[in-house]
Amino acid sequence: DSGVTQTPKHLITATGQRVTLRCSPRSGDLSVYWYQQSLDQGLQFLIHYYNGEERAKGNILERFSAQQFPDLHSELNLSSLELGDSALYFCASSGYRDPGGDEQFFGPGTRLTVL
Amino acid sequence: AQSVTQLGSHVSVSEGALVLLRCNYSSSVPPYLFWYVQYPNQGLQLLLKYTSAATLVKGINGFEAEFKKSETSFHLTKPSAHMSDAAEYFCAVSEGNQGGKLIFGQGTELSVKP
Repeated sequence: DSGVTQTPKHLITATGQRVTLRCSPRSGDLSVYWYQQSLDQGLQFLIHYYNGEERAKGNILERFSAQQFPDLHSELNLSSLELGDSALYFCASSGYRDPGGDEQFFGPGTRLTVL
Repeated sequence: AQSVTQLGSHVSVSEGALVLLRCNYSSSVPPYLFWYVQYPNQGLQLLLKYTSAATLVKGINGFEAEFKKSETSFHLTKPSAHMSDAAEYFCAVSEGNQGGKLIFGQGTELSVKP
């Protein structure tokens, strides 16, 4: 158990819908990262938050947004869903004591299926 | 731009045999390098990381990796494979000035035959 929790574990929805994925980082970790894992694209970095502020963006679609709340949990919002958004979405956290070199602790992921 | 190439999407070894998973990276600055393992239906777990302290890095479960700057490689090895090593392995690179985001390779699925 990494200490990172993600809910829900599975999500099945229809095209055009909006969903919210939730992540709680390990106790004491200020950084939260979101990644998408799909068969065709592999593991891709989406976005990084540190202590409530956005720090870096990767290949994140404009239909996707994220935020980190004062209690440090984070939410990833996916809207106008398309079939191609079906993937496993991981959240990871780190203490950010050594930017770049910190171990990131991964949650179990949320599997999103868009029908 | 950073990138990672893992040679071989599938590797199969016999139990007790040497495990060698290949990773080459591209980075404009001295990189941080990681190997993560993903067991079925689970998240990723760190095996080991290179952060410039030593070129030979030992990790969990008997794995180790050697950083070779001249070859831009960070191959993962284990002297003797166990059935429990069957999983997907990801090499990743990070640059300190990029805030810690990980750039992953495509992954190598390791099968271990009895």
